[in-house]
Formats: sequence, C-alpha cells, structure tokens
Amino acid sequence: KQEVTQIPAALSVPEGENLVLNCSFTDSAIYNLQWFRQDPGKGLTSLLLIQSSQREQTSGRLNASLDKSSGRSTLYIAASQPGDSATYLCAVEGRSNTGKLIFGQGTTLQVKP
Amino acid sequence: DAGVIQSPRHEVTEMGQEVTLRCKPISGHNSLFWYRQTMMRGLELLIYFNNNVPIDDSGMPEDRFSAKMPNASFSTLKIQPSEPRDSAVYFCASRGTSGSPGETQYFGPGTRLLVL
Repeated sequence: KQEVTQIPAALSVPEGENLVLNCSFTDSAIYNLQWFRQDPGKGLTSLLLIQSSQREQTSGRLNASLDKSSGRSTLYIAASQPGDSATYLCAVEGRSNTGKLIFGQGTTLQVKP
Repeated sequence: DAGVIQSPRHEVTEMGQEVTLRCKPISGHNSLFWYRQTMMRGLELLIYFNNNVPIDDSGMPEDRFSAKMPNASFSTLKIQPSEPRDSAVYFCASRGTSGSPGETQYFGPGTRLLVL
C-alpha cells in the first residue's frame, strides 16, 4: 500500500530565505507526483506536476524534483515571501492513469516578514 | 470558467440527520473525485467517477455514505444518518480528458461539515 510522508510538518522561516520541503513515498511505481498548495479555509491549487519519466519541473521561484528509485521528491522555494505562507501537500498517482491520488499530511509553512 | 463549485460551503447538522453535499465540476471534465480532509487522517479519496460512472468507491467509509453523478455537470455525496465523526471538510475535484500523465485535478473550495 502506497504511503506518502512529508517532513517537516511545520516550518517557520524569515522572508528571503531559500527552503526545501521533503516528500517520500513507499512504492516507486508511480504515474506522477504533484505538489499542491492549500491556503487556510480554501481548496487545493496545483503547483507542479512531475511525470514519472521526468526528473524535475520549474515554475517561477518553485522547483520540484523527483527521484523515483529512492522514493523521494523535494520542493524548493527560492527567496521566500510572506505570501508563500500556506500548507504544501505532496500527492502521488499510482501505476496507471486513474487520477487516484495518495496525499501526504502536508508541511505548513510560515514566512515571517 | 468558474472552477469547481461546491455547495453548501458550511453545514451544521445534528447527529442522525441526512446531509447532502453538491458539486458542479468544470465543464468538459470527465473525471470527478470526492475527498475528505481531517486533522487526524489528512486528505483521503472517498470515491471517483469517470464519465459519470463510479470507478472506485473503496474509500467510502461506511454504507452511510453514498455518491451519485446523474450527469456530467452534477454530483452529490450523501451521508445518512450523519454522526459526529463525519465532521470534516469535503472536497470535490475534477480532471480533464486528455489522459496524459500531466493532467492535474482542480479542487473546489470545500464544504465544512459539523455534525453535533
């Protein structure tokens, strides 16, 4: 059974700092891996999606990497801003294109001005 | 597009009452997903539909939960009878039709359910 773990559960950093969020999964046979952002009281917004054949994806100040063999992904946020404060969730989609996502518990990030 | 629409946004009910949550997916999307989010268990997939047909309901916790998708633009998640442990945020999400591994899901704002 696929399990997804995110470390740390919470993180507080000063504005401008570069930071890394970690995600690990137990079954390396995945279809893709996604990073989502969730603001308090809101739904999830997709940030980056890495297909199983890819190693990384970039969008603005965000860079996500995928190492299937070790069952790990990282989300790198450059030059963090207070507006980045949110919960970041990692999710994996299994072997086939079902859309069935298994989520980690998330990392809650606070960026202090 | 207005995105995924869910109603109601908040629901407070008493134990034993029937609760119906509603979802309108993004027009043209052919997959719809119902999730539940709690502090203890995180975000869990309850059931998903492809082309209005339920594909996997293994995440539905009990027979008290049922979901329907009568057409491509509407789905309901019903809890009958409701219990306090059903209190959670329920999300609906939809996904497009490309079938590519790069297809993401679009989430609604959620329904916050409190069962007293």
